[in-house]
Amino acid sequence: RKEVEQDPGPFNVPEGATVAFNCTYSNSASQSFFWYRQDCRKEPKLLMSVYSSGNEDGRFTAQLNRASQYISLLIRDSKLSDSATYLCVVTFQGGSEKLVFGKGTKLTVNP
Amino acid sequence: DADVTQTPRNRITKTGKRIMLECSQTKGHDRMYWYRQDPGLGLRLIYYSFDVKDINKGEISDGYSVSRQAQAKFSLSLESAIPNQTALYFCATSRSNQPQHFGDGTRLSIL
Repeated sequence: RKEVEQDPGPFNVPEGATVAFNCTYSNSASQSFFWYRQDCRKEPKLLMSVYSSGNEDGRFTAQLNRASQYISLLIRDSKLSDSATYLCVVTFQGGSEKLVFGKGTKLTVNP
Repeated sequence: DADVTQTPRNRITKTGKRIMLECSQTKGHDRMYWYRQDPGLGLRLIYYSFDVKDINKGEISDGYSVSRQAQAKFSLSLESAIPNQTALYFCATSRSNQPQHFGDGTRLSIL
């Protein structure tokens, strides 16, 4: 099992739709969780951290399920500008801290 | 992210040439990283450093070397470039257990 796995995508949704991405991780000792956004040919940028209690930032909601070892990202009322690749990132301590990126899920929001 | 600066932004060179990519940061972070990104493969860690003169191999360090002579600078070298090292390279910085901040990337093409 890969350390971090994401929905393969791509996702194509109309404007205004709600879309959800899931990400699973294999190491139960994982400590920190993040969602990044990457536009084509640009650097990844932090979208939001994911906390155990779940957290919301405007139209974006992130949740963590430690028992099942997955995190999710929900985007409500999708905008054209949400089109990007979304990367799931997990850190865990294994001798030294290790940060692992998922391969990303591409989202296209259509007019 | 202007706090993490990569130079050059683009480089085209020939097989066998020595190439150095530079990364500097003004964020005061102790940790720095070099990644490469290829289509369909996501981000792959080349080398990372937790402090000055601390060097650690990532998952794909063969063919690369790095230098961390100062906290703010982390350089990546390709001693003898080969075409399959053509990729988008990112530098990133962080504090322990905190999200990483990426530079704008260096697009490297080796002919």
